[in-house]
Amino acid sequence: NAGVTQTPKFQVLKTGQSMTLQCAQDMNHEYMSWYRQDPGMGLRLIHYSVGAGITDQGEVPNGYNVSRSTTEDFPLRLLSAAPSQTSVYFCASIADSSYNSPLHFGNGTRLTVT
Amino acid sequence: GQNIDQPTEMTATEGAIVQINCTYQTSGFNGLFWYQQHAGEAPTFLSYNVLDGLEEKGRFSSFLSRSKGYSYLLLKELQMKDSASYLCAVRDRRAAGNKLTFGGGTRVLVKP
Repeated sequence: NAGVTQTPKFQVLKTGQSMTLQCAQDMNHEYMSWYRQDPGMGLRLIHYSVGAGITDQGEVPNGYNVSRSTTEDFPLRLLSAAPSQTSVYFCASIADSSYNSPLHFGNGTRLTVT
Repeated sequence: GQNIDQPTEMTATEGAIVQINCTYQTSGFNGLFWYQQHAGEAPTFLSYNVLDGLEEKGRFSSFLSRSKGYSYLLLKELQMKDSASYLCAVRDRRAAGNKLTFGGGTRVLVKP
């Protein structure tokens, strides 16, 4: 199993550009989520999905869209990039809804918006 | 909402012991996780506590006191490879979709 795979690893955008961060998992996990990580602020939840066709907002959803057409894929779309979206983005999944299931993280996408 | 506090940085010597504290406030506590994150890498799962007491896993132990809203991660026999950030995260039973709230992380520097 590859686990959780994110692409690209690095990306530079100009303000106003749009792009999609890709996330795929091959573990048949129902729950998938996107976090951003900024210095001193910890990981903050952007959007999450509890299964194909179901998505919901996290703490910081503004400026981002998601969709979940399959169990495997959970892309994150930046509609119009802003410098405030410069961050490291992590996709994560959980095997099931058990209370003690840990998150499995992808390797992250480092995004810079100029 | 939830508030999770942990120290920003700690320094310790190789072979020593370091204790990383985490305090939290939540009305729907449903478990506390510790993750390790090396610079430039993804977080990896270390431990989980939902009941009071100590959980031991080799050189790493995690303690929880629900009444005090307090946990610590104990790293024994420190090795250079333990230099990393350690993230405390709390699960809230009232939050949909297994939502975890993370603290800002504690960067541990192990010196020779």
